[in-house]
Amino acid sequence: GQNIDQPTEMTATEGAIVQINCTYQTSGFNGLFWYQQHAGEAPTFLSYNVLDGLEEKGRFSSFLSRSKGYSYLLLKELQMKDSASYLCAVPRSGNTPLVFGKGTRLSVIA
Amino acid sequence: DAMVIQNPRYQVTQFGKPVTLSCSQTLNHNVMYWYQQKSSQAPKLLFHYYDKDFNNEADTPDNFQSRRPNTSFCFLDIRSPGLGDAAMYLCATDRGLGGDTQYFGPGTRLTVL
Repeated sequence: GQNIDQPTEMTATEGAIVQINCTYQTSGFNGLFWYQQHAGEAPTFLSYNVLDGLEEKGRFSSFLSRSKGYSYLLLKELQMKDSASYLCAVPRSGNTPLVFGKGTRLSVIA
Repeated sequence: DAMVIQNPRYQVTQFGKPVTLSCSQTLNHNVMYWYQQKSSQAPKLLFHYYDKDFNNEADTPDNFQSRRPNTSFCFLDIRSPGLGDAAMYLCATDRGLGGDTQYFGPGTRLTVL
């Protein structure tokens, strides 16, 4: 089965950089997703990593190490609107349904 | 343009009164999912359809049923809602390919009185 672990809450200052970590255990790896979810809204896709390394997309970057079962989401130049939950998710082995972590609630303060 | 649409956005029902939530998609995706998400928790998969093939999660209560009459629409029926069923219900779709991105609807927040 899958097991995903990420910190419950983080706080960071506007304009700063924050790194949200995710560790996972899965019997068959088929990529890792990061989703952003604002309170009361649906998750929206941020990134997908299937190969090791860093994928950069504007202010957001995502890193993957398959050998370590580890990923992080890096948010630069934080803005107040980045306050949200960030969900790490992996597909089940051999199937498409995603298994989500509990999410990291990020609060950006002035 | 909205790609995954859920109606209603907010639903209030009474304890034990059946309720139906709907989801439609304009993406022509093969797979449609229903998740339940309670406050500060991860979305929990209830079931999914791959085309017409229904896949129920082992721990989904019998109280929850689903229908997919065609590619575009999928319904979640809660036969006898309990107070513990109050949650956000999320519909999502993808093409059914490994590693494919899931697109979520805006969700329906269900309140049970």
